[in-house]
This record gives sequence, structure tokens and C-alpha cells, in this order.
Amino acid sequence: NAGVTQTPKFQVLKTGQSMTLQCAQDMNHEYMSWYRQDPGMGLRLIHYSVGAGITDQGEVPNGYNVSRSTTEDFPLRLLSAAPSQTSVYFCASGQLSGALGYTFGSGTRLTVV
Amino acid sequence: RKEVEQDPGPFNVPEGATVAFNCTYSNSASQSFFWYRQDCRKEPKLLMSVYSSGNEDGRFTAQLNRASQYISLLIRDSKLSDSATYLCVVNRGPNNNDMRFGAGTRLTVKP
Repeated sequence: NAGVTQTPKFQVLKTGQSMTLQCAQDMNHEYMSWYRQDPGMGLRLIHYSVGAGITDQGEVPNGYNVSRSTTEDFPLRLLSAAPSQTSVYFCASGQLSGALGYTFGSGTRLTVV
Repeated sequence: RKEVEQDPGPFNVPEGATVAFNCTYSNSASQSFFWYRQDCRKEPKLLMSVYSSGNEDGRFTAQLNRASQYISLLIRDSKLSDSATYLCVVNRGPNNNDMRFGAGTRLTVKP
């Protein structure tokens, strides 16, 4: 099994550009989420989904959109990139109960100049 | 105050040493607890869940103290390959969306 696959691994954007980070999982997990990780801070939840067609905001949702049209895919869209969005982004999936923790994708390193 | 607090370290220990990390959390209603390991420039990976009775997995022992709201991770007989950042994770509720991550404790094991 591939687990959680994220693309791209690296991206440089100019301020104001938009882009989509892709995330796919093959474990039939109902729960998927996006986190950002910044130096000295824990992972912070951007958006999450508990199933196809259902999404909700996390701690830091501003500037990001998500959709969940299938169980497998959960793309993250940056609407108008800002330097403050320079970060490492991780997609994660897991069972709804949360009892067994998450499986993470390998991350996307995004730089906004 | 952060909801999940960890000493950032770094902890520098020789091979074979025993090292312990603590983590405190502020939400007394938190329901499940985990330790994750994150290697440099890699994704976090689940190391172990933490149970109220304490649990052991090889050289790793995790403890939970609900009264004092802290969890701990003990690593015995440290190996060079244990060098990583260890993340404390607390699930505040019954569902996955209530996970909160500590900023991590960095461990370097030296020959």
C-alpha cells in the first residue's frame, strides 16, 4: 500500500499566485486533514474532513480551501499565496475515532516569495 | 500558553544512555495520547500510543499521569538511530479533529 501520497514535494510561488496541493490515501480512511508545520511550533490544523462531501475548518484556515469529492482525495488550495504561508504542509489520514493516530504524507515544502 | 508543552531540547546523550522526555497538556478532558517520531525533513510517524496503565514497546516506555496532566517517554539503551524529534500528541475529544501537537523534543544520540 502507498499510504498517504502528497504532491508536489517542493514548490516556490510568487505572492498572489494560487496552487493546489494534492493528497491521496489508499487505506479507506474516513478522516483526512491538512497541517502546517513551522519552526518552534507544533503542527497546526488547517482543514479536515470526516468523509466525502464533508469538510470543516481547523485552527488556521484563512487563505486555504479544501474539498472532498471522494474518500481517497483531499486537495488543499491556496487562493492567493502570501509569504506567511511559507511552511511545510502535511496531509494526514486516520480512522474517525482517532484511537490509532494518523498516517502522514511525506510533506510539501512551500516557499512564497 | 500552548495546549501541549514540551521541552524543545536538544537532548544530547551517548549511546547506551537512558533518556526521558515529558510533555504537559492543559485540557483535562483529553482522551487519547501518542508519541510520534519525526526525522529531519521527514513526516511524523507514530511511535506509540500512551495508555493510562503505562505501556512498553521494546526499549520505549510511555506513561500517562492524568491527575498531573503529563505524559512521558523513556528510551533505554539509546541507539544512534534514535536521533530524531519526538512529538507529544494529545487528542482532546472522541474524534480525530481534536488532535493537538507539541512542538517536539529533539534528541541526538552520539557515539
